[in-house]
Amino acid sequence: NAGVMQNPRHLVRRRGQEARLRCSPMKGHSHVYWYRQLPEEGLKFMVYLQKENIIDESGMPKERFSAEFPKEGPSILRIQQVVRGDSAAYFCASSPRDNRNQPQHFGDGTRLSIL
Amino acid sequence: GQQLNQSPQSMFIQEGEDVSMNCTSSSIFNTWLWYKQDPGEGPVLLIALYKAGELTSNGRLTAQFGITRKDSFLNISASIPSDVGIYFCAGLQYNFNKFYFGSGTKLNVKP
Repeated sequence: NAGVMQNPRHLVRRRGQEARLRCSPMKGHSHVYWYRQLPEEGLKFMVYLQKENIIDESGMPKERFSAEFPKEGPSILRIQQVVRGDSAAYFCASSPRDNRNQPQHFGDGTRLSIL
Repeated sequence: GQQLNQSPQSMFIQEGEDVSMNCTSSSIFNTWLWYKQDPGEGPVLLIALYKAGELTSNGRLTAQFGITRKDSFLNISASIPSDVGIYFCAGLQYNFNKFYFGSGTKLNVKP
């Protein structure tokens, strides 16, 4: 998984707090995808971003969740007023262009635990 | 979203045995990918398939893009303990421009 950097690796929050998850894509990659994974389950698509644009957010809950990928700096997945059900592993992937014939490369994820 | 049915859910095999797993869908896909995920880590790309009927190998791993474009399989030959992990298939449809993931096959290898 060298290249896609996610931090923090583990994040603990109390109910009602905010969680900020960061993702720096591989060098030269301008497309970022966020996924959520519950234990013993597959990856569920949340959002697809290019620099300064949200391309597809169809997998992201309408409330409390937001994502951005600014011109400079990492992509951020933000969860406001966290609840217990937000506990999961959140993975970021990047690709150099859009999905067509460009496999995504994943980071090692952020494990979010809500107390 | 699109449904990918991955089977089996889990497998317990002896070291040295061959393994086969597959993904099926009622929809046509343009690209199939196979990933492996170790505990506490992100998925690592194993094989990418872009054409119907394509057969691609990566060491002891072989994957095929089904002719109907609705399925793909992954074979692992002569399994070893480090093959343990969860294997995911992912399919891409151009018109949706995102990957859909199967629920994974958990592989256990007994030395």
